[in-house]
Amino acid sequence: QVQLQESGPGLVKPSQTLSLTCTVSGGSISSGSYYWSWIRQPAGKGLEWIGRIYTSGSTNYNPSLKSRVTISVDTSKNQFSLKLSSVTAADTAVYYCARSTVGALDYWGQGTLVTVSS
Amino acid sequence: SYELTQPPSVSVSPGQTARITCSADALPKQYAYWYQQKPGQAPVLVIYKDSERPSGIPERFSGSSSGTTVTLTISGVQAEDEADYYCQSADSSGTVFGGGTKLTVL
Repeated sequence: QVQLQESGPGLVKPSQTLSLTCTVSGGSISSGSYYWSWIRQPAGKGLEWIGRIYTSGSTNYNPSLKSRVTISVDTSKNQFSLKLSSVTAADTAVYYCARSTVGALDYWGQGTLVTVSS
Repeated sequence: SYELTQPPSVSVSPGQTARITCSADALPKQYAYWYQQKPGQAPVLVIYKDSERPSGIPERFSGSSSGTTVTLTISGVQAEDEADYYCQSADSSGTVFGGGTKLTVL
């Protein structure tokens, strides 16, 4: 059973870079044809897809966030990471990592709340 | 890119049938996926590829597609089905979610 767990600071100052890591257990991040994605959800609002990285290392990003987002993978640690630069209060949200195959996001982490505040 | 449009809310009484629609604004339509999200929890996949049900999802959940609109149907709604439901689609450039529909069981 694949499990994902987000980790990282829960508080980030405005203008700084938000950094989160997703640790995958129960399977190798580099095996199979999977995308590894980040999704976020502001309190009381809907889901917003941030971006994804393929097992080959290729990436796709949400056009509205593309200029500030970097997703990378560390196969030696079975982890993938999110960096979001120049954050503002609008980036305060629960951040989820997830695995997708053939379009469906089939395994999700429990989510981690990141607050942007000075 | 394209957008997926869902009604903000749907209300049904227990035992009735709930239908939640999701319309795409562009062609060709990709497969749609549906997620159930209860308060404080991560979303759970309930329908994939328009109409397929993952193992462990009750049979009362079904999906259908017509043109650029997909529909999630919950037959014999139970109190535990009260949740937010999101449609999602994906193509080679990325993924998009609908705005979500709050299902209220009266």
